[in-house]
Amino acid sequence: GDSVTQMEGPVTLSEEAFLTINCTYTATGYPSLFWYVQYPGEGLQLLLKATKADDKGSNKGFEATYRKETTSFHLEKGSVQVSDSAVYFCALRNNNAGNMLTFGGGTRLMVKP
Amino acid sequence: KAGVTQTPRYLIKTRGQQVTLSCSPISGHRSVSWYQQTPGQGLQFLFEYFSETQRNKGNFPGRFSGRQFSNSRSEMNVSTLELGDSALYLCASSLAGERNEQFFGPGTRLTVL
Repeated sequence: GDSVTQMEGPVTLSEEAFLTINCTYTATGYPSLFWYVQYPGEGLQLLLKATKADDKGSNKGFEATYRKETTSFHLEKGSVQVSDSAVYFCALRNNNAGNMLTFGGGTRLMVKP
Repeated sequence: KAGVTQTPRYLIKTRGQQVTLSCSPISGHRSVSWYQQTPGQGLQFLFEYFSETQRNKGNFPGRFSGRQFSNSRSEMNVSTLELGDSALYLCASSLAGERNEQFFGPGTRLTVL
């Protein structure tokens, strides 16, 4: 079945540092890929998405590129802020499975001032 | 436009009891999905409803059930509660059809004692 693997956290960075959170996936066909963010006590918010190979999703300074050859969708940000501290989830939606999302285990990011 | 609302936000039950959680989607959204979030298993898909019909189901025992009403509001029920059912239950809604962004509610935190 489909699966998503992302690096375990926590990831601790100083403000303005460069961020990379690795995400790889296994899926049949051509899934859509997503990054969601969860702040304490809240639900998930869609951060960015990509629906086909070589697409780059971007939002709020975060970027991720859909790499079919390496089955990866790594999240990057050039300069993190304290307000970026949250848990980040990589997810895929197989286009044969309705709206069902398959999530990675989540990566907690802590940014220190 | 109001977001996805879930009630109650917090719930404490004892083993063997049953529980019903409610989700009101964003106005105009006809697809509602449910997810269970636990520290050990992460985020797992429970089921999706569209136009009062279950469209997809995850790998959970029959104690977990759901339904959707004509106004798109959805409920999920868990019978014969077990300690392992303690989790954050998230609801997500999206517009009709697939490939639309899912918007998540804040979740219901269920604790089973």
